[in-house]
Amino acid sequence: DAKTTQPPSMDCAEGRAANLPCNHSTISGNEYVYWYRQIHSQGPQYIIHGLKNNETNEMASLIITEDRKSSTLILPHATLRDTAVYYCIVRVAWDYGGSQGNLIFGKGTKLSVKP
Amino acid sequence: DVKVTQSSRYLVKRTGEKVFLECVQDMDHENMFWYRQDPGLGLRLIYFSYDVKMKEKGDIPEGYSVSREKKERFSLILESASTNQTSMYLCASSLGTTRNTGELFFGEGSRLTVL
Repeated sequence: DAKTTQPPSMDCAEGRAANLPCNHSTISGNEYVYWYRQIHSQGPQYIIHGLKNNETNEMASLIITEDRKSSTLILPHATLRDTAVYYCIVRVAWDYGGSQGNLIFGKGTKLSVKP
Repeated sequence: DVKVTQSSRYLVKRTGEKVFLECVQDMDHENMFWYRQDPGLGLRLIYFSYDVKMKEKGDIPEGYSVSREKKERFSLILESASTNQTSMYLCASSLGTTRNTGELFFGEGSRLTVL
Protein backbone atom coordinates (compact mmCIF):
# COMPACT_ATOMS: atom_id res chain seq x y z
CA ASP A 1 0.00 0.00 0.00
CA ALA A 2 1.06 3.56 -0.64
CA LYS A 3 2.58 5.33 2.35
CA THR A 4 1.09 8.64 1.28
CA THR A 5 -2.35 10.24 1.25
CA GLN A 6 -3.38 12.77 -1.39
CA PRO A 7 -6.70 14.38 -2.30
CA PRO A 8 -8.22 12.62 -5.32
CA SER A 9 -8.71 15.75 -7.37
CA MET A 10 -8.08 19.50 -7.47
CA ASP A 11 -8.88 22.35 -9.81
CA CYS A 12 -6.68 25.34 -10.50
CA ALA A 13 -7.14 28.41 -12.68
CA GLU A 14 -4.59 28.92 -15.42
CA GLY A 15 -1.82 31.27 -14.32
CA ARG A 16 -2.47 30.73 -10.63
CA ALA A 17 -0.34 28.70 -8.25
CA ALA A 18 -1.33 25.08 -7.78
CA ASN A 19 -0.65 23.75 -4.29
CA LEU A 20 -0.84 19.97 -4.05
CA PRO A 21 -0.73 18.50 -0.52
CA CYS A 22 0.56 15.12 0.55
CA ASN A 23 0.46 13.44 3.94
CA HIS A 24 3.19 10.95 4.83
CA SER A 25 2.92 10.61 8.59
CA THR A 26 4.87 7.32 8.76
CA ILE A 27 7.89 8.53 6.81
CA SER A 28 11.22 7.17 8.05
CA GLY A 29 14.32 9.26 8.67
CA ASN A 30 16.12 8.02 5.56
CA GLU A 31 13.16 8.32 3.20
CA TYR A 32 12.87 11.08 0.66
CA VAL A 33 9.71 12.65 -0.69
CA TYR A 34 9.45 12.41 -4.49
CA TRP A 35 6.88 13.90 -6.81
CA TYR A 36 6.03 12.60 -10.24
CA ARG A 37 3.23 13.41 -12.62
CA GLN A 38 1.60 11.48 -15.40
CA ILE A 39 -0.16 13.13 -18.27
CA HIS A 40 -2.80 10.94 -19.87
CA SER A 41 -1.34 8.04 -21.89
CA GLN A 42 2.25 9.08 -21.24
CA GLY A 43 4.97 7.79 -18.93
CA PRO A 44 5.44 9.32 -15.47
CA GLN A 45 7.62 12.40 -15.32
CA TYR A 46 9.93 13.14 -12.40
CA ILE A 47 9.29 16.60 -10.93
CA ILE A 48 11.25 17.12 -7.72
CA HIS A 49 12.35 15.45 -4.51
CA GLY A 50 13.57 16.41 -1.05
CA LEU A 51 14.62 15.04 2.31
CA LYS A 52 13.95 17.75 4.87
CA ASN A 53 14.75 21.11 3.30
CA ASN A 54 12.53 22.94 0.89
CA GLU A 55 13.56 22.47 -2.72
CA THR A 56 12.99 24.41 -5.93
CA ASN A 57 13.76 23.65 -9.54
CA GLU A 58 12.59 24.92 -12.89
CA MET A 59 9.35 22.98 -12.67
CA ALA A 60 8.16 23.35 -9.09
CA SER A 61 8.84 23.97 -5.42
CA LEU A 62 8.59 21.40 -2.65
CA ILE A 63 7.76 22.46 0.88
CA ILE A 64 8.30 19.84 3.59
CA THR A 65 7.01 20.46 7.10
CA GLU A 66 9.51 20.47 9.92
CA ASP A 67 8.22 17.16 11.30
CA ARG A 68 8.35 15.75 7.72
CA LYS A 69 4.86 14.29 8.07
CA SER A 70 3.48 16.28 5.16
CA SER A 71 4.59 18.22 2.12
CA THR A 72 3.21 20.50 -0.58
CA LEU A 73 4.14 20.62 -4.23
CA ILE A 74 3.77 24.09 -5.69
CA LEU A 75 3.44 24.81 -9.39
CA PRO A 76 3.87 28.60 -9.31
CA HIS A 77 2.04 29.50 -12.53
CA ALA A 78 -0.08 26.57 -13.68
CA THR A 79 -0.74 26.14 -17.39
CA LEU A 80 -3.18 23.89 -19.22
CA ARG A 81 -0.27 21.52 -19.95
CA ASP A 82 0.10 20.92 -16.20
CA THR A 83 -3.20 19.01 -16.20
CA ALA A 84 -2.13 15.54 -15.03
CA VAL A 85 -2.22 13.07 -12.16
CA TYR A 86 0.38 14.01 -9.55
CA TYR A 87 1.93 11.33 -7.37
CA CYS A 88 3.68 11.82 -4.06
CA ILE A 89 5.99 8.97 -3.10
CA VAL A 90 8.21 8.33 -0.10
CA ARG A 91 11.16 5.98 -0.41
CA VAL A 92 14.85 5.57 0.27
CA ALA A 93 17.10 6.90 -2.46
CA TRP A 94 18.82 3.58 -3.12
CA ASP A 95 18.67 0.09 -1.77
CA TYR A 96 20.06 -3.09 -3.24
CA GLY A 97 17.72 -5.96 -3.71
CA GLY A 98 15.22 -4.41 -6.03
CA SER A 99 13.49 -1.89 -3.85
CA GLN A 100 15.17 0.82 -5.87
CA GLY A 101 12.68 0.11 -8.58
CA ASN A 102 9.65 -0.29 -6.40
CA LEU A 103 7.63 2.82 -6.89
CA ILE A 104 4.32 2.68 -5.07
CA PHE A 105 2.38 5.38 -6.81
CA GLY A 106 -0.93 5.27 -5.02
CA LYS A 107 -3.89 6.99 -6.63
CA GLY A 108 -2.41 10.48 -6.80
CA THR A 109 -4.19 13.80 -7.27
CA LYS A 110 -5.81 14.58 -10.58
CA LEU A 111 -5.07 18.25 -11.18
CA SER A 112 -7.28 20.01 -13.71
CA VAL A 113 -6.03 23.41 -14.84
CA LYS A 114 -8.88 25.44 -16.27
CA PRO A 115 -8.73 28.50 -18.54
CA ASP B 1 17.77 16.18 -20.48
CA VAL B 2 17.45 12.47 -19.96
CA LYS B 3 15.78 10.74 -22.84
CA VAL B 4 14.31 7.29 -22.50
CA THR B 5 12.92 6.05 -25.78
CA GLN B 6 10.61 3.09 -26.20
CA SER B 7 10.48 1.57 -29.63
CA SER B 8 6.72 1.37 -30.11
CA ARG B 9 3.90 3.42 -28.61
CA TYR B 10 1.17 1.03 -29.69
CA LEU B 11 1.32 -2.67 -30.58
CA VAL B 12 -1.34 -5.25 -31.34
CA LYS B 13 -0.29 -8.90 -31.18
CA ARG B 14 -1.99 -12.25 -31.23
CA THR B 15 -1.97 -14.82 -28.45
CA GLY B 16 1.14 -16.97 -28.61
CA GLU B 17 3.25 -14.47 -30.54
CA LYS B 18 6.69 -13.50 -29.32
CA VAL B 19 6.86 -9.81 -28.50
CA PHE B 20 9.92 -7.58 -28.14
CA LEU B 21 9.73 -4.22 -26.42
CA GLU B 22 12.87 -2.13 -26.76
CA CYS B 23 14.07 0.70 -24.55
CA VAL B 24 17.06 2.97 -25.08
CA GLN B 25 18.39 5.69 -22.77
CA ASP B 26 20.95 8.29 -23.71
CA MET B 27 22.26 9.43 -20.33
CA ASP B 28 24.69 6.64 -19.50
CA HIS B 29 22.48 5.41 -16.66
CA GLU B 30 23.49 2.19 -14.97
CA ASN B 31 20.01 1.12 -13.85
CA MET B 32 17.11 0.27 -16.11
CA PHE B 33 13.63 -1.00 -15.28
CA TRP B 34 10.54 -2.44 -16.91
CA TYR B 35 7.09 -1.88 -15.39
CA ARG B 36 3.54 -2.51 -16.40
CA GLN B 37 0.74 -0.16 -15.46
CA ASP B 38 -2.86 -1.30 -15.20
CA PRO B 39 -5.91 0.61 -13.96
CA GLY B 40 -6.41 0.13 -10.25
CA LEU B 41 -3.13 -1.77 -9.85
CA GLY B 42 -0.67 1.07 -10.27
CA LEU B 43 2.88 0.50 -11.42
CA ARG B 44 4.30 -3.00 -11.00
CA LEU B 45 7.97 -3.85 -11.46
CA ILE B 46 8.65 -6.70 -13.88
CA TYR B 47 12.45 -6.76 -14.11
CA PHE B 48 15.34 -4.45 -13.52
CA SER B 49 19.02 -4.33 -14.38
CA TYR B 50 21.82 -2.49 -12.63
CA ASP B 51 24.54 -3.35 -15.11
CA VAL B 52 25.15 -4.83 -18.53
CA LYS B 53 24.16 -8.50 -18.64
CA MET B 54 22.77 -8.26 -15.10
CA LYS B 55 19.08 -8.71 -14.37
CA GLU B 56 16.92 -9.08 -11.32
CA LYS B 57 13.30 -10.15 -11.01
CA GLY B 58 10.80 -7.64 -9.85
CA ASP B 59 7.34 -8.34 -8.44
CA ILE B 60 5.76 -9.93 -11.51
CA PRO B 61 8.42 -11.56 -13.73
CA GLU B 62 6.33 -14.57 -14.79
CA GLY B 63 5.81 -14.70 -18.55
CA TYR B 64 8.55 -12.17 -19.23
CA SER B 65 12.28 -12.17 -19.84
CA VAL B 66 14.76 -9.35 -20.38
CA SER B 67 18.04 -8.70 -22.12
CA ARG B 68 20.70 -6.08 -21.46
CA GLU B 69 23.60 -6.57 -23.85
CA LYS B 70 24.54 -2.88 -23.96
CA LYS B 71 24.38 -0.27 -21.23
CA GLU B 72 21.94 1.94 -23.08
CA ARG B 73 19.48 -0.74 -24.15
CA PHE B 74 17.08 -2.88 -22.11
CA SER B 75 14.68 -5.21 -23.87
CA LEU B 76 11.54 -6.85 -22.53
CA ILE B 77 10.49 -10.11 -24.16
CA LEU B 78 7.14 -11.84 -23.98
CA GLU B 79 7.97 -15.37 -25.12
CA SER B 80 4.34 -16.29 -25.80
CA ALA B 81 1.96 -13.38 -25.42
CA SER B 82 -1.29 -13.92 -23.58
CA THR B 83 -4.37 -11.73 -23.27
CA ASN B 84 -3.60 -10.99 -19.60
CA GLN B 85 -0.42 -9.28 -20.75
CA THR B 86 -2.45 -6.54 -22.41
CA SER B 87 -1.16 -3.46 -20.61
CA MET B 88 0.85 -0.26 -20.72
CA TYR B 89 4.56 -1.09 -20.45
CA LEU B 90 6.92 1.52 -19.09
CA CYS B 91 10.68 1.58 -19.22
CA ALA B 92 12.72 3.71 -16.81
CA SER B 93 16.35 4.42 -16.03
CA SER B 94 18.35 5.91 -13.19
CA LEU B 95 21.91 6.57 -12.13
CA GLY B 96 23.99 3.89 -10.45
CA THR B 97 24.44 3.59 -6.71
CA THR B 98 27.22 6.03 -6.01
CA ARG B 99 25.55 8.83 -7.93
CA ASN B 100 21.95 7.93 -7.30
CA THR B 101 19.53 10.19 -5.55
CA GLY B 102 16.48 8.14 -6.38
CA GLU B 103 14.96 9.79 -9.44
CA LEU B 104 13.64 7.51 -12.14
CA PHE B 105 13.24 8.75 -15.70
CA PHE B 106 10.51 7.11 -17.74
CA GLY B 107 9.84 6.54 -21.39
CA GLU B 108 6.55 7.42 -23.07
CA GLY B 109 5.19 3.92 -22.63
CA SER B 110 4.20 1.10 -24.99
CA ARG B 111 0.56 0.13 -25.03
CA LEU B 112 0.32 -3.55 -25.91
CA THR B 113 -2.92 -5.25 -26.84
CA VAL B 114 -2.92 -9.05 -27.11
CA LEU B 115 -5.89 -10.48 -29.00
